[in-house]
Amino acid sequence: EVQLEESGGGLVQPGGSLRLSCAASEFILSDHYMDWVRQAPGKGLEWVGRTRNKANSYTTEYAADVKGRFTISRDDSNNSLHLQMNSLNIDDTAVYYCVRNAKGDYYFDLWGQGTLVTVSS
Amino acid sequence: DIQMTQSPSSVSASVGDRLTITCRASQDVGNSLAWFQQKPGKAPKSLIYGASRLQSGVPSRFSASGSGTDFTLTISSLQPEDFATYYCQHHKSYPLTFGGGTKVEIK
Repeated sequence: EVQLEESGGGLVQPGGSLRLSCAASEFILSDHYMDWVRQAPGKGLEWVGRTRNKANSYTTEYAADVKGRFTISRDDSNNSLHLQMNSLNIDDTAVYYCVRNAKGDYYFDLWGQGTLVTVSS
Repeated sequence: DIQMTQSPSSVSASVGDRLTITCRASQDVGNSLAWFQQKPGKAPKSLIYGASRLQSGVPSRFSASGSGTDFTLTISSLQPEDFATYYCQHHKSYPLTFGGGTKVEIK
């Protein structure tokens, strides 16, 4: 089955770090632009960042709120995507989704189930 | 940044009703507009891309239109499984932004 599965969420103290992973099944991740989107408890959706596909050198874009703190990377050997989150603060508490863009295009077509990150002392 | 404004923020409707949700962009986004459906405790699901194109597997009772700054999502005959929150999103430029959501509840 074509799917995305996130992992790595959990409880972290303010100022701490966490690394999320997103494993892709039944498709080649490197062919697609990939995004991270988050949703704070009871709130709407917020874009976090993007990595372009291999053909576009995996270049990245980030939301202003996370630029310089979050880093998106890929592991082609494991067909996976990562989100390294540093200097976490309470406002980063959210469910984090990895999202695939349609092949050769720039719209979302497949979402993972999400992983919860809680930043609290 | 491009701001996306949805209306209404919530609506009560009955099974069989026709429902229209609107989304307005603060700048021209052409047809770089998508719609998503999210049920409580679940991940969003992609419904519409390119302002009016249905994602594979989306029922034909869903339709969408618009370009530039004004967009609509219509459900022709609400079914029980359609009660959810709907979000619009532009992908014209960075940062990508979402509307605040429209919660569709059962009357």
